[in-house]
Amino acid sequence: DAKTTQPTSMDCAEGRAANLPCNHSTISGNEYVYWYRQIHSQGPQYIIHGLKNNETNEMASLIITEDRKSSTLILPHATLRDTAVYYCIVRVAMGTTDSWGKFQFGAGTQVVVTP
Amino acid sequence: KAGVTQTPRYLIKTRGQQVTLSCSPISGHRSVSWYQQTPGQGLQFLFEYFSETQRNKGNFPGRFSGRQFSNSRSEMNVSTLELGDSALYLCASSLGQPSGANVLTFGAGSRLTVL
Repeated sequence: DAKTTQPTSMDCAEGRAANLPCNHSTISGNEYVYWYRQIHSQGPQYIIHGLKNNETNEMASLIITEDRKSSTLILPHATLRDTAVYYCIVRVAMGTTDSWGKFQFGAGTQVVVTP
Repeated sequence: KAGVTQTPRYLIKTRGQQVTLSCSPISGHRSVSWYQQTPGQGLQFLFEYFSETQRNKGNFPGRFSGRQFSNSRSEMNVSTLELGDSALYLCASSLGQPSGANVLTFGAGSRLTVL
């Protein structure tokens, strides 16, 4: 699975959009980009994933560059409850690996939403 | 539908003792993975079970073991506890269908303190 690089931390004002970058320059064609977040001492929460196209759900939007070497998670209207560590993970499609449940979590980005 | 349930949520043990943690996956999910999270090492993959078989194992000593039952419920056991085993132990389940993306759903975790 390709490695990812994320900023260590970032602040965001409540009500503003939070744009979280992730670099995955060695990503291959069959690797998905996943985003999870972890609020202090809770289990990680799935946010969104994508392969090539931009994706949007009720939580966030995922913008993947055309060359797929980087992506941005967008929280459209950040709230105080969005304060968490956000993890960007790149992982091969199932069926091409025996490690279905093995995700490589890095250090992530600590996002602090301030009033 | 009910999420991933882990029990107990908190427990305190002393060095040398052993501990068993339980995980009930989301109904219909056949893959269960276990992770250890410590402040120093972050989230680390322990092992994964699918259809009662261990599919993959992380880099942990043999004191860490697990199993999965026919109803997909899983347990992990740590024998001869050491102070360094103090951690948040997380269980995640997924459908385990061998194609495309694989979204993990995490439980709230079991917080183990070894004295």
